[in-house]
This record gives sequence, structure tokens and C-alpha cells, in this order.
Amino acid sequence: GQQLNQSPQSMFIQEGEDVSMNCTSSSIFNTWLWYKQDPGEGPVLLIALYKAGELTSNGRLTAQFGITRKDSFLNISASIPSDVGIYFCAGQLGDSWGKFQFGAGTQVVVTP
Amino acid sequence: DAGVTQSPTHLIKTRGQQVTLRCSPKSGHDTVSWYQQALGQGPQFIFQYYEEEERQRGNFPDRFSGHQFPNYSSELNVNALLLGDSALYLCASSIGTEYEQYFGPGTRLTVT
Repeated sequence: GQQLNQSPQSMFIQEGEDVSMNCTSSSIFNTWLWYKQDPGEGPVLLIALYKAGELTSNGRLTAQFGITRKDSFLNISASIPSDVGIYFCAGQLGDSWGKFQFGAGTQVVVTP
Repeated sequence: DAGVTQSPTHLIKTRGQQVTLRCSPKSGHDTVSWYQQALGQGPQFIFQYYEEEERQRGNFPDRFSGHQFPNYSSELNVNALLLGDSALYLCASSIGTEYEQYFGPGTRLTVT
């Protein structure tokens, strides 16, 4: 089963609002990836994080690698309708190179 | 720059049959990972191939096997199909085994 706890499960927000989601685990990870998946398509990589404390931005998206290496956060600022989709975190354990574990996803719905 | 491609797009098989799914990695990538994504869940890691060898494996039975060819493309084989094998099968490629993975559009497998 999945060892990553991703929350919230879903979010209903208004256009222009900021969005925050996170992934936590009891295990220590050496890499965090954030993806967005639209219905019927494969996940699209948004941000990759490799160092504890690292803060990385990609346009209106900002993600952070938690200091404890057990969590990661994704923020979306000033949401727009095309932000609708399911966002997944994926973590790589230090002793399992190449084996990424995924969270259950956060579904984002943006209303005008 | 071609991204990750997968074939076929959709597939319908009968319980007990065997299936082969194919993946071509992103240009310049040498590592291929396979994931199973059930409806409403995050992707589950099946295995990863690098230098034509299986490097990591998730918690999947031996009915799931794979192969990587010298041109880095890969196949996923599933024998003795079960109804529970119905899912979206995703291929992801990367440069090396431990860095960010880029996904293809997936193959939707339905077992009846």
C-alpha cells in the first residue's frame, strides 16, 4: 500500500485563490516530485526537489522539500480554470533508488 | 523532441489471457519504469529497467514481467490476466535510475 499521506483529498476553490496541499510520511525521502494529471492522460511533471529545505518555483507553482525529509508542500497562487486536475506527490526512499511512491492525489476544482 | 510514447492506447482482454504493452522513452533517456494506476488512485510502481536489466521491483506478482531493448524501449507483459488487472498502465522514462521521471499517456487495459 501507499506510505504517503496526501491531503486534502479534494479542494473546491474560486478563481484567483491560492491552493495549498501536502504529503507526509513516517519515512525519510531523498527526492520529491509533484505531478498534475488530467483525465485520461499521464501525469505531467511540475516540480522536482532533491535537497531538504529546498524551495522551488515553476510559474505560479511553488514546492518545498520539508526539513525533516518526511514531507513536501505544493502551493498554487492565483488559481485559474486550467489548474483543474489531480495533483500527485511522489517520493523516493533513500534505499530504493528509482522506486517512487505516489500519494493518493488531491483533486482541485476551480470555480469562476 | 518526442516525449514518452506508449502503445496501444486501449486494450480489451479476457481473463486468463496474456498482454504485452510497449513504451518508447523520451529522447536521451535510458531508464524506463512501469506503473499501474487503478481508477481513483495514485500510480503504483511495478518495476524499473536500466541497461536492459530489472533494477527495482514493486509488490507485484511474477505474472508481471518486462524487458528493455538496446534502444531503451521497453515492454510490459502480464500473464494469466485477472479482472483486477484492469487499470491504466503508465510508462515513465528518466536519465539514470534516480532522477525525475516523465510519463507517457498510458495504456488503458480492460479485462473482462
